[in-house]
Formats: sequence, structure tokens, C-alpha cells
Amino acid sequence: DTGVSQNPRHKITKRGQNVTFRCDPISEHNRLYWYRQTLGQGPEFLTYFQNEAQLEKSRLLSDRFSAERPKGSFSTLEIQRTEQGDSAMYLCASSPRALRTNEKLFFGSGTQLSVL
Amino acid sequence: AQTVTQSQPEMSVQEAETVTLSCTYDTSESDYYLFWYKQPPSRQMILVIRQEAYKQQNATENRFSVNFQKAAKSFSLKISDSQLGDAAMYFCAYRSAEETSGSRLTFGEGTQLTVNP
Repeated sequence: DTGVSQNPRHKITKRGQNVTFRCDPISEHNRLYWYRQTLGQGPEFLTYFQNEAQLEKSRLLSDRFSAERPKGSFSTLEIQRTEQGDSAMYLCASSPRALRTNEKLFFGSGTQLSVL
Repeated sequence: AQTVTQSQPEMSVQEAETVTLSCTYDTSESDYYLFWYKQPPSRQMILVIRQEAYKQQNATENRFSVNFQKAAKSFSLKISDSQLGDAAMYFCAYRSAEETSGSRLTFGEGTQLTVNP
């Protein structure tokens, strides 16, 4: 168990550019989640996958955001035409089965995005 | 929609002493789960303790315990014998037990805990 891995750890970009983050969940975890955390706030839910299917999306996930999880393994989160308001830490988490059974989430260390 | 409120942006405690972090939440649901997560400078969220709403008994994990008051919608965290390694941001979180919305956690704003030697 190597934990949830997120890359890159930091990303600095200019406004209007596209960025992509990657998350590698714990192996055999079929559920994967993306959260966004702005400074001084708690994480906010963005979206979640069960295997390769994206089952839930937050209203925070505008049309500039897209997430994929091909083959139900790693996931990518892409932000197109970045805006300064997108600056935040993007957290990924995974769990081995349905959260309804009270399984805990395993979080990565996040990708810190700064949009200049 | 559910909301989680942590009214203490910062708290401090002396090493070996006890500290209590407050959390209130608002929901119309009867079945749900509550959590306390710790976020150290490494940024990785770590589960500290969890409570099922249908259980009257307060959860305990070593030096960490909760005071769950369902009628008052209150869920406080008590840390006993505080250690330097407890210094971190602490988040209270809510999760519905409903199938259609049970995938997401709703977090509070966080409480920054400082442990003084």
C-alpha cells in the first residue's frame, strides 16, 4: 500500500492556459474522488468515479473542468482556460468500496495550483 | 443541503493538556456519518475518528474522543494528553447515508490547533 499519489505537487501557470493533474489511487480501490481546497477553507467535493464511470459531479465543476478515469485506474483532472479563481489545492482520494458502508477515504497530498 | 460549521478558527493547548474542538452541522437527515480529519503541513488529510449517527455511544480512538449530541447537531472532538504531533488543521466532516448522496463529504472551515511545549 503506497498511498494515493498526486502529480505534480505544485503547478504554476498563466491565466488562460490549460493544466492537467494526475491521481494514482491505492491499487484495488475502485472509488476515486476529487476535492478542491482554497486557502483557509475546508475541501469541497468536485466529482467521484466508481471504476471508470463518473457517477457524480458537483456544480463547482464548470464546463472548463473535465475529469477522466480510463480503465478505472489513475484519474486526470483537466482545467481549460485557467482563471485566477482556479488557484487552489486539488485533492484526490480513494476508497475500497461504497462509502455507505462507512469506509474511510484515503487522501493524497494534493496538487497546489497557482494561476498568475 | 447539509452544512458544517467550525466556529473556532484557531485553538492552542499546552503539551499534555486537553483541548476540545467544536463542530455543529445542519441536516434534515436522520442517518449519516460524522468525521474528524487532521491535515498537517504535509497537506495529506488523515482520518482521526468517525461516528455513526445511529450509535448513541460516543466514538473513542486512543487519546481522541467525541461528544456527539444528535439533537443539538453538535460533534466536538476532545484531544487528551496533547502532543506536539497533534498540531495541525482539524476538519469536521459530514456524510449522508443516503444512497444518492452518500459519496461526498461536506467539510467545515477548519480549526488550526497549536500545541505549545
